[in-house]
Amino acid sequence: SQTIHQWPATLVQPVGSPLSLECTVEGTSNPNLYWYRQAAGRGLQLLFYSVGIGQISSEVPQNLSASRPQDRQFILSSKKLLLSDSGFYLCAWSIPSGRWNIQYFGAGTRLSVL
Amino acid sequence: QKEVEQNSGPLSVPEGAIASLNCTYSDRGSQSFFWYRQYSGKSPELIMSIYSNGDKEDGRFTAQLNKASQYVSLLIRDSQPSDSATYLCAVTASGGSYIPTFGRGTSLIVHP
Repeated sequence: SQTIHQWPATLVQPVGSPLSLECTVEGTSNPNLYWYRQAAGRGLQLLFYSVGIGQISSEVPQNLSASRPQDRQFILSSKKLLLSDSGFYLCAWSIPSGRWNIQYFGAGTRLSVL
Repeated sequence: QKEVEQNSGPLSVPEGAIASLNCTYSDRGSQSFFWYRQYSGKSPELIMSIYSNGDKEDGRFTAQLNKASQYVSLLIRDSQPSDSATYLCAVTASGGSYIPTFGRGTSLIVHP
């Protein structure tokens, strides 16, 4: 069966510091991968998605970036964090299957920028 | 802009009652519809998916889809305190990348 690992679970970072969040998927090949952010009391905001190694689509212009160095690895980064980057970051995967594209989420990383 | 609307709640129901959660969407060409449950501080987990008009039942959960009226609902029968969570509606529009748009969620409280 497929599993998704996301770490760390919580992170407290000062403003201006760098960020690296990692997500890996096991038990499947060529998944679509996604990064979402959920601010307090808000909906899920799609940040990036990837359909393959090195292929990244950005949905929201901001100081975050994503990379997919391996088929089942997705990394979210920032060079300098802002206060507004605080939130709950979720990695998700899906099997590319058209309208049957169901997303499954990792446990999430709660980021507090102080 | 494709929109998915949900009443934020909270919706409060007594234990054993039927909880009815509703979701409307703006894109008439939407093809796939999902309900996720999110406990406080946790990540969303898939409860139901529905693709055709009508009802789909899975245990205590029933998803109802009405494409003509552009709404999808989730019924939870025999509600339990453990059902207390935020329920997210997600809708995949026609064409494109088939990435769903999520509503902001409805908070459900089931009280004993």
